[in-house]
Amino acid sequence: DVKVTQSSRYLVKRTGEKVFLECVQDMDHENMFWYRQDPGLGLRLIYFSYDVKMKEKGDIPEGYSVSREKKERFSLILESASTNQTSMYLCASIDRPSQPQHFGDGTRLSIL
Amino acid sequence: AQTVTQSQPEMSVQEAETVTLSCTYDTSESDYYLFWYKQPPSRQMILVIRQEAYKQQNATENRFSVNFQKAAKSFSLKISDSQLGDAAMYFCAYSHSGNTPLVFGKGTRLSVIA
Repeated sequence: DVKVTQSSRYLVKRTGEKVFLECVQDMDHENMFWYRQDPGLGLRLIYFSYDVKMKEKGDIPEGYSVSREKKERFSLILESASTNQTSMYLCASIDRPSQPQHFGDGTRLSIL
Repeated sequence: AQTVTQSQPEMSVQEAETVTLSCTYDTSESDYYLFWYKQPPSRQMILVIRQEAYKQQNATENRFSVNFQKAAKSFSLKISDSQLGDAAMYFCAYSHSGNTPLVFGKGTRLSVIA
């Protein structure tokens, strides 16, 4: 079974801090995604990556950056955390259209 | 841009009954993929069912089936013989080519009443 692992299930940080959310998948998937989930808004795409060192902006990239130095790891970075970035963050990966997109368990991030 | 609309923020169903969750979408593409995901309180996103737009036959997975109306851009999920474990948030999602980012609806929270 594909495993997508997010480094933290819960995280509390302070405004202005630089925050790293890590995501690792174990199936050599090409494509990886970061979504943000908020009540009443569903999931919204922040960034995605089709290959190592490649990244594409999603619908809400402001205040975020990403890093993909190795195929299995896709990091989401909050350069200077703000309270409006308090949310649930979900990572996902996929290899081929015939396969389902696999999600991690999510990181619930609180910015105080 | 593609959009996905779930018009029912909350639904409830009696155990063993049938419920239908609605989803409409907007796209100018002729080839695409549609999905229903389930998110229980554990937060794990679980794929319930998937439909490829070029297939006219409605997808079915055990108690879950869809009514895919391509011309109407409608993709509803029917859950038969509802069980307590079906209680969750359900998200409808669209993908242009299957391995591209998903566009999600805002979700429908389903409660199952014993």
